[in-house]
Amino acid sequence: AQSVTQPDIHITVSEGASLELRCNYSYGATPYLFWYVQSPGQGLQLLLKYFSGDTLVQGIKGFEAEFKRSQSSFNLRKPSVHWSDAAEYFCAGEVDNFNKFYFGSGTKLNVKP
Amino acid sequence: DTGVSQNPRHKITKRGQNVTFRCDPISEHNRLYWYRQTLGQGPEFLTYFQNEAQLEKSRLLSDRFSAERPKGSFSTLEIQRTEQGDSAMYLCASSSQGPTQYFGPGTRLTVL
Repeated sequence: AQSVTQPDIHITVSEGASLELRCNYSYGATPYLFWYVQSPGQGLQLLLKYFSGDTLVQGIKGFEAEFKRSQSSFNLRKPSVHWSDAAEYFCAGEVDNFNKFYFGSGTKLNVKP
Repeated sequence: DTGVSQNPRHKITKRGQNVTFRCDPISEHNRLYWYRQTLGQGPEFLTYFQNEAQLEKSRLLSDRFSAERPKGSFSTLEIQRTEQGDSAMYLCASSSQGPTQYFGPGTRLTVL
Protein backbone atom coordinates (compact mmCIF):
# COMPACT_ATOMS: atom_id res chain seq x y z
CA ALA A 1 0.00 0.00 0.00
CA GLN A 2 1.13 3.53 -0.71
CA SER A 3 2.04 5.49 2.38
CA VAL A 4 4.13 8.28 3.81
CA THR A 5 5.47 8.08 7.34
CA GLN A 6 6.78 10.84 9.57
CA PRO A 7 8.25 9.09 12.62
CA ASP A 8 8.57 12.18 14.81
CA ILE A 9 5.36 13.68 16.18
CA HIS A 10 7.04 16.55 18.04
CA ILE A 11 10.51 18.07 17.78
CA THR A 12 11.95 20.90 19.83
CA VAL A 13 15.07 22.75 18.75
CA SER A 14 16.77 25.90 19.97
CA GLU A 15 16.72 28.97 17.80
CA GLY A 16 19.81 28.99 15.60
CA ALA A 17 20.27 25.23 15.78
CA SER A 18 20.03 22.95 12.77
CA LEU A 19 16.92 20.95 11.98
CA GLU A 20 16.15 17.67 10.27
CA LEU A 21 12.62 16.31 9.91
CA ARG A 22 12.26 12.74 8.73
CA CYS A 23 9.97 11.38 6.03
CA ASN A 24 9.82 7.85 4.65
CA TYR A 25 7.68 6.65 1.78
CA SER A 26 6.37 3.31 0.65
CA TYR A 27 5.42 3.18 -3.01
CA GLY A 28 5.82 0.76 -5.87
CA ALA A 29 7.54 3.43 -7.94
CA THR A 30 9.43 6.59 -7.04
CA PRO A 31 6.78 9.11 -6.09
CA TYR A 32 6.66 12.83 -6.51
CA LEU A 33 7.49 14.13 -3.02
CA PHE A 34 6.57 17.36 -1.29
CA TRP A 35 7.02 19.18 1.99
CA TYR A 36 4.34 21.57 3.22
CA VAL A 37 4.18 23.77 6.32
CA GLN A 38 1.01 24.60 8.24
CA SER A 39 0.63 27.31 10.86
CA PRO A 40 -2.20 26.91 13.40
CA GLY A 41 -5.62 27.23 11.81
CA GLN A 42 -4.14 27.81 8.36
CA GLY A 43 -3.85 25.91 5.11
CA LEU A 44 -0.74 24.26 3.73
CA GLN A 45 2.11 26.22 2.20
CA LEU A 46 4.43 24.46 -0.23
CA LEU A 47 8.06 24.47 0.91
CA LEU A 48 9.67 22.34 -1.79
CA LYS A 49 9.15 19.39 -4.14
CA TYR A 50 11.08 16.57 -5.76
CA PHE A 51 10.16 15.08 -9.11
CA SER A 52 13.42 13.68 -10.52
CA GLY A 53 17.04 14.63 -11.17
CA ASP A 54 19.18 16.29 -8.53
CA THR A 55 18.41 14.58 -5.24
CA LEU A 56 19.05 17.71 -3.16
CA VAL A 57 16.28 20.25 -3.66
CA GLN A 58 16.09 23.78 -2.38
CA GLY A 59 12.91 25.41 -1.17
CA ILE A 60 11.62 28.60 0.32
CA LYS A 61 12.57 30.03 3.71
CA GLY A 62 16.02 28.41 3.61
CA PHE A 63 14.76 24.81 3.66
CA GLU A 64 16.21 21.97 1.65
CA ALA A 65 15.44 18.27 1.34
CA GLU A 66 17.38 15.26 0.14
CA PHE A 67 15.84 12.32 -1.69
CA LYS A 68 17.51 9.00 -0.89
CA ARG A 69 16.14 6.13 -2.92
CA SER A 70 18.09 3.49 -0.99
CA GLN A 71 16.48 4.60 2.26
CA SER A 72 13.07 5.54 0.79
CA SER A 73 13.48 8.87 2.53
CA PHE A 74 12.97 12.54 1.80
CA ASN A 75 14.18 14.39 4.89
CA LEU A 76 13.74 18.13 5.34
CA ARG A 77 16.64 20.20 6.68
CA LYS A 78 17.44 23.74 7.68
CA PRO A 79 20.88 24.83 8.89
CA SER A 80 19.66 27.50 11.33
CA VAL A 81 16.12 27.58 12.68
CA HIS A 82 14.27 30.84 13.36
CA TRP A 83 11.47 31.27 15.90
CA SER A 84 9.06 31.89 13.00
CA ASP A 85 9.67 28.33 11.77
CA ALA A 86 7.56 26.96 14.62
CA ALA A 87 4.69 25.19 12.85
CA GLU A 88 3.58 21.76 11.72
CA TYR A 89 5.34 20.17 8.77
CA PHE A 90 3.82 17.60 6.45
CA CYS A 91 5.49 15.33 3.94
CA ALA A 92 3.35 14.15 1.02
CA GLY A 93 3.76 11.80 -1.90
CA GLU A 94 1.94 11.24 -5.17
CA VAL A 95 2.55 8.59 -7.79
CA ASP A 96 -0.66 8.08 -9.66
CA ASN A 97 -0.84 10.42 -12.62
CA PHE A 98 -1.40 13.67 -10.73
CA ASN A 99 -3.98 12.10 -8.50
CA LYS A 100 -4.36 12.27 -4.76
CA PHE A 101 -1.61 13.00 -2.26
CA TYR A 102 -0.78 10.69 0.62
CA PHE A 103 0.28 12.72 3.63
CA GLY A 104 2.29 11.80 6.67
CA SER A 105 0.78 12.51 10.06
CA GLY A 106 2.94 15.60 10.49
CA THR A 107 5.76 16.77 12.74
CA LYS A 108 5.12 19.66 15.07
CA LEU A 109 8.17 21.86 15.47
CA ASN A 110 8.71 23.94 18.59
CA VAL A 111 11.53 26.49 18.68
CA LYS A 112 13.11 27.43 22.01
CA PRO A 113 14.45 30.96 22.39
CA ASP B 1 -2.15 35.44 -9.16
CA THR B 2 -4.61 34.94 -6.31
CA GLY B 3 -4.41 31.70 -4.44
CA VAL B 4 -7.05 29.14 -3.63
CA SER B 5 -9.87 30.63 -1.57
CA GLN B 6 -12.38 28.84 0.66
CA ASN B 7 -15.56 30.02 2.29
CA PRO B 8 -16.56 30.11 5.00
CA ARG B 9 -13.39 29.89 7.05
CA HIS B 10 -15.29 28.63 10.07
CA LYS B 11 -18.65 26.92 10.43
CA ILE B 12 -20.38 25.87 13.62
CA THR B 13 -23.50 23.77 13.20
CA LYS B 14 -25.75 21.50 15.18
CA ARG B 15 -25.81 17.78 14.62
CA GLY B 16 -28.26 16.86 11.88
CA GLN B 17 -27.96 20.12 9.94
CA ASN B 18 -26.68 20.38 6.39
CA VAL B 19 -23.63 22.47 5.54
CA THR B 20 -22.05 23.57 2.28
CA PHE B 21 -18.51 24.78 1.68
CA ARG B 22 -17.16 26.56 -1.35
CA CYS B 23 -13.74 26.44 -2.96
CA ASP B 24 -12.44 28.78 -5.67
CA PRO B 25 -9.28 27.38 -7.25
CA ILE B 26 -6.42 29.28 -8.81
CA SER B 27 -7.60 30.65 -12.13
CA GLU B 28 -7.25 28.16 -15.01
CA HIS B 29 -6.31 25.26 -12.75
CA ASN B 30 -8.24 22.33 -14.17
CA ARG B 31 -7.81 19.94 -11.25
CA LEU B 32 -9.46 20.51 -7.90
CA TYR B 33 -9.11 18.35 -4.77
CA TRP B 34 -10.87 18.07 -1.42
CA TYR B 35 -9.15 16.76 1.70
CA ARG B 36 -10.22 16.37 5.31
CA GLN B 37 -7.86 16.94 8.21
CA THR B 38 -8.68 15.94 11.78
CA LEU B 39 -6.76 17.16 14.79
CA GLY B 40 -3.24 15.81 14.96
CA GLN B 41 -3.43 14.10 11.58
CA GLY B 42 -2.33 14.80 8.05
CA PRO B 43 -4.91 15.61 5.39
CA GLU B 44 -6.81 12.68 3.91
CA PHE B 45 -8.01 12.64 0.33
CA LEU B 46 -11.77 12.88 -0.24
CA THR B 47 -12.31 13.49 -3.94
CA TYR B 48 -10.97 15.23 -7.01
CA PHE B 49 -12.20 16.82 -10.21
CA GLN B 50 -10.66 17.33 -13.58
CA ASN B 51 -12.62 20.21 -15.04
CA GLU B 52 -16.25 19.37 -14.16
CA ALA B 53 -15.76 15.60 -14.01
CA GLN B 54 -15.45 13.96 -10.62
CA LEU B 55 -12.83 11.31 -11.29
CA GLU B 56 -12.24 9.69 -7.93
CA LYS B 57 -13.95 9.47 -4.55
CA SER B 58 -12.46 8.11 -1.37
CA ARG B 59 -14.32 5.55 0.73
CA LEU B 60 -14.23 8.32 3.38
CA LEU B 61 -16.83 10.13 1.29
CA SER B 62 -19.99 8.57 2.65
CA ASP B 63 -23.36 9.04 0.96
CA ARG B 64 -23.95 12.06 3.20
CA PHE B 65 -21.18 13.87 1.35
CA SER B 66 -21.51 15.28 -2.14
CA ALA B 67 -19.18 17.44 -4.16
CA GLU B 68 -19.78 19.30 -7.36
CA ARG B 69 -17.86 21.44 -9.80
CA PRO B 70 -20.60 22.41 -12.21
CA LYS B 71 -18.71 24.60 -14.67
CA GLY B 72 -15.21 23.43 -14.03
CA SER B 73 -14.41 26.48 -11.92
CA PHE B 74 -15.46 26.68 -8.26
CA SER B 75 -16.51 23.61 -6.31
CA THR B 76 -18.89 22.95 -3.44
CA LEU B 77 -18.76 20.25 -0.81
CA GLU B 78 -22.03 19.50 0.98
CA ILE B 79 -22.46 17.42 4.09
CA GLN B 80 -25.99 16.33 4.90
CA ARG B 81 -27.21 15.37 8.37
CA THR B 82 -23.91 16.31 9.99
CA GLU B 83 -22.49 14.17 12.76
CA GLN B 84 -19.99 15.08 15.46
CA GLY B 85 -17.43 12.91 13.68
CA ASP B 86 -17.58 15.29 10.72
CA SER B 87 -15.84 17.98 12.77
CA ALA B 88 -12.58 18.65 10.95
CA MET B 89 -10.73 21.06 8.72
CA TYR B 90 -11.80 20.71 5.09
CA LEU B 91 -9.04 21.68 2.68
CA CYS B 92 -9.29 22.42 -0.99
CA ALA B 93 -6.37 22.34 -3.42
CA SER B 94 -5.92 22.94 -7.11
CA SER B 95 -3.34 22.09 -9.75
CA SER B 96 -2.75 22.66 -13.43
CA GLN B 97 -0.34 20.75 -15.67
CA GLY B 98 1.84 19.15 -13.04
CA PRO B 99 1.46 17.23 -9.80
CA THR B 100 1.98 20.20 -7.45
CA GLN B 101 -1.15 21.03 -5.48
CA TYR B 102 -1.77 24.48 -4.02
CA PHE B 103 -3.91 24.59 -0.93
CA GLY B 104 -6.47 27.03 0.35
CA PRO B 105 -6.79 28.19 3.97
CA GLY B 106 -9.40 25.57 4.78
CA THR B 107 -12.86 25.58 6.34
CA ARG B 108 -12.99 24.56 10.00
CA LEU B 109 -16.24 22.70 10.74
CA THR B 110 -17.45 22.18 14.30
CA VAL B 111 -20.52 20.01 14.81
CA LEU B 112 -22.15 20.45 18.23
